[in-house]
Amino acid sequence: AQKVTQAQTEISVVEKEDVTLDCVYETRDTTYYLFWYKQPPSGELVFLIRRNSFDEQNEISGRYSWNFQKSTSSFNFTITASQVVDSAVYFCALLYTGANSKLTFGKGITLSVRP
Amino acid sequence: GAGVSQTPSNKVTEKGKYVELRCDPISGHTALYWYRQSLGQGPEFLIYFQGTGAADDSGLPNDRFFAVRPEGSVSTLKIQRTERGDSAVYLCASSLGPINEQFFGPGTRLTVL
Repeated sequence: AQKVTQAQTEISVVEKEDVTLDCVYETRDTTYYLFWYKQPPSGELVFLIRRNSFDEQNEISGRYSWNFQKSTSSFNFTITASQVVDSAVYFCALLYTGANSKLTFGKGITLSVRP
Repeated sequence: GAGVSQTPSNKVTEKGKYVELRCDPISGHTALYWYRQSLGQGPEFLIYFQGTGAADDSGLPNDRFFAVRPEGSVSTLKIQRTERGDSAVYLCASSLGPINEQFFGPGTRLTVL
């Protein structure tokens, strides 16, 4: 079975703090893709990153960084120096090539960044 | 360029009525997906089109739900005999292909009274 677990449900930080959002996945496939999406209060899901299962290099994009570890089936997301505009629900998702490309989402983490 | 668009943004209907939800994907995207998102949950897959054909409709909850994409672009999700449990946000996404990132529309919030 394919499954994504986001154990944290709500996180609240003060602006400029660093925050890490955890994601653990389950799949029997050797080829799969992992994603993070942001859903701000406006409601529209915004694509952040796509990572394939063969690329374990960490990625950094501005204040955002991702740590992919196959050994622990985790794909964690860190926001450095958080800002109020980062307040949103963040979803981790798994796409496995044997399933005709449907995304399996976690339940999401609500991040609140206070001024 | 234009993103994925969905109409209407909000739909209120009565139990037992028929509704149609429309999705306009990003131009050139051959893959189109429908998801449903309930409050406090992640989106759940409904159906995936590759071109005009439904490649995977395993997420449709029952035969009251049906979707079409006759010309390989715009798609319509159709729900017959709506029930209160159908109330949710219906999301459409499109992508260049089955392993590419999916871009989502703003969703249609369906409320069944």
